[in-house]
Amino acid sequence: DAGVTQSPTHLIKTRGQHVTLRCSPISGHKSVSWYQQVLGQGPQFIFQYYEKEERGRGNFPDRFSARQFPNYSSELNVNALLLGDSALYLCASSLGLAGRANTGELFFGEGSRLTVL
Amino acid sequence: AQTVTQSQPEMSVQEAETVTLSCTYDTSESDYYLFWYKQPPSRQMILVIRQEAYKQQNATENRFSVNFQKAAKSFSLKISDSQLGDAAMYFCAYRSARGGADGLTFGKGTHLIIQP
Repeated sequence: DAGVTQSPTHLIKTRGQHVTLRCSPISGHKSVSWYQQVLGQGPQFIFQYYEKEERGRGNFPDRFSARQFPNYSSELNVNALLLGDSALYLCASSLGLAGRANTGELFFGEGSRLTVL
Repeated sequence: AQTVTQSQPEMSVQEAETVTLSCTYDTSESDYYLFWYKQPPSRQMILVIRQEAYKQQNATENRFSVNFQKAAKSFSLKISDSQLGDAAMYFCAYRSARGGADGLTFGKGTHLIIQP
């Protein structure tokens, strides 16, 4: 079975540009989450989508947006790129949301490495 | 807000020996999950082990085990019989079990080096 796939794997943008990152979850998983991992740090939560609706959002500015499609794949969009947006962007899928009977275990992709010049 | 602290930026261990990675966390919740993830140079985060806070028994997965001290808010990872393939960044992570979509809160990670 295919794991979580992300594209592109690497990309370079300049300040002020826009970027779109894509993610396909594991088959059968209905939830997709996005994380930003700056070099030398742990990942930081950006968004979680479940059944095509935003269900959670981390402390990121409105320049960051996302959506989930009917096939449960997802896009992360970042507008007006800043140098500080340079990071590894990780997508993770899970069966559903975490709850009392569900750890919400995440399965991660290999990430998209974004460099902003 | 929950916080996760990993106080060891880097640890080194001889192959076949045992190493313990530390993690502490801060939360006001009583029901939550704790995880250790491994991130090798290939970048993909891989779940190593999980612990449900309501379970007294420490989780074990083959050579990996945890020491979960709920009152002390401590969650350390022990790796026995270390292997070269264990070399990676290790991240401790917290997730609420209250049924929301808060995401995982990660620590800054510990870089584990395995000496042959």
